[in-house]
Amino acid sequence: ETGVTQSPTHLIKTRGQQVTLRCSSQSGHNTVSWYQQALGQGPQFIFQYYREEENGRGNFPPRFSGLQFPNYSSELNVNALELDDSALYLCASSLLRAYKMEGYTFGSGTRLTVV
Amino acid sequence: AQSVSQHNHHVILSEAASLELGCNYSYGGTVNLFWYVQYPGQHLQLLLKYFSGDPLVKGIKGFEAEFIKSKFSFNLRKPSVQWSDTAEYFCAVVPAGGGSQGNLIFGKGTKLSVKP
Repeated sequence: ETGVTQSPTHLIKTRGQQVTLRCSSQSGHNTVSWYQQALGQGPQFIFQYYREEENGRGNFPPRFSGLQFPNYSSELNVNALELDDSALYLCASSLLRAYKMEGYTFGSGTRLTVV
Repeated sequence: AQSVSQHNHHVILSEAASLELGCNYSYGGTVNLFWYVQYPGQHLQLLLKYFSGDPLVKGIKGFEAEFIKSKFSFNLRKPSVQWSDTAEYFCAVVPAGGGSQGNLIFGKGTKLSVKP
């Protein structure tokens, strides 16, 4: 059973640029959620994808967008990067009806630095 | 708004000391509760979870937590810590109701440092 894998592990971007982060969900999981973890903070929910559609969204602006593919992998896209977007971005997968009891399996994250 | 509070930002203990990390949440309905651990350089791992039944739940590596509904608390405990428990610990809740987005709401985390 493979876990959640994310790429790249580290990334440096310039303010105003766009970035795409990728996530492969754990085998058997059909739901992917993305979280932003700023330094010294707990992870904050960005959005969740199920069946290739957004299934819930946190308090993040529209320049944060995502995709889910038929194989349940996912992308997080951030446009017009701002310095405050510097954070660890976590991908988490689960079964849709199980997450409330089972929680999620997390990847190791992508460390994004915006300069 | 729903929130999770973790009382301690950084806890420093010697090996064999007992541990209790506080967690309180603000949500009036039914919740499912989780503790995650993040070892240095590693991904978040589930320590234990509660969704119903016995409010005292046991997790991996000798950790346990007690859900006290009247206090909206879910404190994490371990009788005797080891140096390898050095990590950051996150409490998280998921509202169990149908209106929930199903996302985890995390506290800010507690960094535990265990001195050998």
